[in-house]
Amino acid sequence: NAGVTQTPKFRILKIGQSMTLQCTQDMNHNYMYWYRQDPGMGLKLIYYSVGAGITDKGEVPNGYNVSRSTTEDFPLRLELAAPSQTSVYFCASSYGRSNQPQHFGDGTRLSIL
Amino acid sequence: QQQVKQSPQSLIVQKGGISIINCAYENTAFDYFPWYQQFPGKGPALLIAIRPDVSEKKEGRFTISFNKSAKQFSLHIMDSQPGDSATYFCAARKTLKYIFGTGTRLKVLA
Repeated sequence: NAGVTQTPKFRILKIGQSMTLQCTQDMNHNYMYWYRQDPGMGLKLIYYSVGAGITDKGEVPNGYNVSRSTTEDFPLRLELAAPSQTSVYFCASSYGRSNQPQHFGDGTRLSIL
Repeated sequence: QQQVKQSPQSLIVQKGGISIINCAYENTAFDYFPWYQQFPGKGPALLIAIRPDVSEKKEGRFTISFNKSAKQFSLHIMDSQPGDSATYFCAARKTLKYIFGTGTRLKVLA
């Protein structure tokens, strides 16, 4: 059971480039989340989804877009990369019911130069 | 209102000692309070969690104490071991969304 898989693990982008961070889960979870983690800070919610076709903004959505066409996949897109988006990005999933934990991937470390 | 304040930022404990990490919140609508453990290069993993109608929850060496009136909750790690060295995050959930504390870097000396 792979759990939550994120690709790539590392990436360096130039300012203005775009890319998609991939996230897939094999636990049939209906809820999925994207967070960013900056040094000395906790995780900040970027976007989340409660099911295929349904997404909503979190605390820090600016500069990002998401889509959820299947239960398994929840890609995060950066359209015009900026240095402020240098961070570690984590995807998580859960059943969404009470007391059901979030399961996290191992993250994508993104540097924008 | 949406913040979760976590302290201390870092903590050094001798092997066998008790590690205590504290969190405070403002929003009374939070309904679930998990603690996560994160090792370098890995994603956070759920350690233990509590709901606000319970004052204490214990799982092995890990205990959450919850004080609803003070809007505070804490993680106690008994008999701390070098393998417990990691970053710990508290979190609070409101309507599917989680707010995380800023993390505590714990180092347990052998």
